[in-house]
Amino acid sequence: KNQVEQSPQSLIILEGKNCTLQCNYTVSPFSNLRWYKQDTGRGPVSLTIMTFSENTKSNGRYTATLDADTKQSSLHITASQLSDSASYICVVSVSNNAGNMLTFGGGTRLMVKP
Amino acid sequence: DAGVTQSPTHLIKTRGQHVTLRCSPISGHKSVSWYQQVLGQGPQFIFQYYEKEERGRGNFPDRFSARQFPNYSSELNVNALLLGDSALYLCASSQRTTGSYSPLHFGNGTRLTVT
Repeated sequence: KNQVEQSPQSLIILEGKNCTLQCNYTVSPFSNLRWYKQDTGRGPVSLTIMTFSENTKSNGRYTATLDADTKQSSLHITASQLSDSASYICVVSVSNNAGNMLTFGGGTRLMVKP
Repeated sequence: DAGVTQSPTHLIKTRGQHVTLRCSPISGHKSVSWYQQVLGQGPQFIFQYYEKEERGRGNFPDRFSARQFPNYSSELNVNALLLGDSALYLCASSQRTTGSYSPLHFGNGTRLTVT
């Protein structure tokens, strides 16, 4: 079972609408949580990074929230644009005696239609 | 400044062969990490190197190995290729390890096809 679960798997919205993507994780010990945007055929691009002490982080029209107690995060996209069509990936960073590693969710594929 | 560069961009190999993928990090970045992304799925962590030392390893078989050079560039090697190794291999660089607050900068990957 994937330790980082994202929902929904895919989403279609109309241009100008808002949407919220969900991420639940079970990995520990938690170092930080990251959201990435990945266009088809390209590498992921960082949107936000949050430590366990941060509840919210914004980057333009993207706002991420984190509840470290319930191990849930969300990414809210405001006033969507056609260029927002991409996969959005939630990533949890773990640091322990074995080293550092990132655990990726399966992503949410967002399509914004005119 | 140039971003993370990976070479080659595409590669076709046959089962049992060996492959070497290369990555040049952003100037000033000392950490390089490698990821495998199968079509339609999220990336999976393979290795992380910082200052030429391995700092993390994902759940991949010993056929996968990597190293980081004094100029902080990196190679990922895969031996005895299997059909299931077909994927997009992503490299990312950062100033410090992923346990820190450093943002990761990804290259656009090497698309490996094993036939």
